Amino acid sequence: EAEVAQSPRYKITEKSQAVAFWCDPISGHATLYWYRQILGQGPELLVQFQDESVVDDSQLPKDRFSAERLKGVDSTLKIQPAELGDSAMYLCASSFTWDQPQHFGDGTRLSIL
Amino acid sequence: DAKTTQPPSMDCAEGRAANLPCNHSTISGNEYVYWYRQIHSQGPQYIIHGLKNNETNEMASLIITEDRKSSTLILPHATLRDTAVYYCIVSPTPYSGAGSYQLTFGKGTKLSVIP
Repeated sequence: EAEVAQSPRYKITEKSQAVAFWCDPISGHATLYWYRQILGQGPELLVQFQDESVVDDSQLPKDRFSAERLKGVDSTLKIQPAELGDSAMYLCASSFTWDQPQHFGDGTRLSIL
Repeated sequence: DAKTTQPPSMDCAEGRAANLPCNHSTISGNEYVYWYRQIHSQGPQYIIHGLKNNETNEMASLIITEDRKSSTLILPHATLRDTAVYYCIVSPTPYSGAGSYQLTFGKGTKLSVIP
C-alpha cells in the first residue's frame, strides 16, 4: 500500500536555529495537510494545501512557520527561528480530494534544546 | 474545541470484542463521524466513517444511534496489535458547503488489549 513519506524521522536542534521537514504524499493525492502533535494530545492542523494552493493556514504561526508545495506534489514545512515550545511531532497527511479520508505519514519528531 | 467526548482509557481482553463509545451530541446533519487510531510512534490511521447508517469494513464496525448523538466503534476480535489511541471525530460532508476538511482531534481513548 502506498504511504506518505516524511523525513527526517527525528530532528534535534537548538533554539533560534532553522529547521525544515519534508513530505511526499501518496501519488495522485491533491490535498496535503501538515499537523503538529504535542505529547499526550491529538494532532492539530497547521496548514492545508489543495494542489499548490493554500486552502487553510489559519492555525499556522506565520511569524516563524512557513509551508510550501511549489509543484503541487511534495511539500516543505519550515520553522525559523525554532523555539523550545516547538518540540512536537510534525505529521503530514494526504487525501485524493479534500473530502476523502486522510492518510498520514509517521511524522518527524522535533526536539528543541 | 473537539466536538466529541470519549473515555480516556479502556481495557479489552485479547480475542474479545472491543466497544469504544463516543458522544457527539452537537453533531449536525452535514457532519460525518470518523474514527482514526494511532499506534505508538506512528501517524494516525483511518479506520472507518459514517453518516447515518451502520458501517462495516475489514477493520471494524461503526454503530451510530438513530439520533446521531453517539456512536460505538467495534473491533470484533481485538488483538495485541490493536493497542492504540482511538480518535472519534466529526467532520463536514461534501454537501455542507465547507471547502476545508479539517479533522479536529481530541485526546481520544487509549485502548489496551490485555493478553
